[in-house]
Amino acid sequence: SQQGEEDPQALSIQEGENATMNCSYKTSINNLQWYRQNSGRGLVHLILIRSNEREKHSGRLRVTLDTSKKSSSLLITASRAADTASYFCATDVTGGGNKLTFGTGTQLKVEL
Amino acid sequence: DAGVIQSPRHEVTEMGQEVTLRCKPISGHDYLFWYRQTMMRGLELLIYFNNNVPIDDSGMPEDRFSAKMPNASFSTLKIQPSEPRDSAVYFCASSLRGPEAFFGQGTRLTVV
Repeated sequence: SQQGEEDPQALSIQEGENATMNCSYKTSINNLQWYRQNSGRGLVHLILIRSNEREKHSGRLRVTLDTSKKSSSLLITASRAADTASYFCATDVTGGGNKLTFGTGTQLKVEL
Repeated sequence: DAGVIQSPRHEVTEMGQEVTLRCKPISGHDYLFWYRQTMMRGLELLIYFNNNVPIDDSGMPEDRFSAKMPNASFSTLKIQPSEPRDSAVYFCASSLRGPEAFFGQGTRLTVV
């Protein structure tokens, strides 16, 4: 069963706008990651945030983690058409051997 | 490094036939994962290996599915006999100690 639920399921924005997607999960986690999947391709790791961190930045990406609410958000600033993809959160738990449980994903479309 | 390599990229087979999917992880990685992606169920972990040893196969749907990792550079996922409901994209991923996973391009399996 899916650990994470993502919201929204689909998001359409104009190039240059910011995109925010949210992920909720059910159990205590060790780390939370965000991955991108372009159509017909494999998943690509974007960023990892540990359970004792609250915010992390990488280029145009900003991730927040609220362990009390069991939720995370991914913000993509100044979006580009090339950001069009599906975005998934993934969690792992202590003692889980790096096993990842993925969310349902958000389909982002960035229009010119 | 060429990344995780999966073959074939596409497979169309008839119901009842045996299907073998192949994966070459990134050299030096000690974890290997097999995932299945469908529209209905999203990304599901089927099985994972650590240092070539199967650790958790609780996601393998039925006895028709089997996976092996005879050495650190090769793994197979076999379905025998295949059924139409096995149609999905199968991903192999590898990681080195930490939870960041590197995915292959996937094998799109269609069982008719």
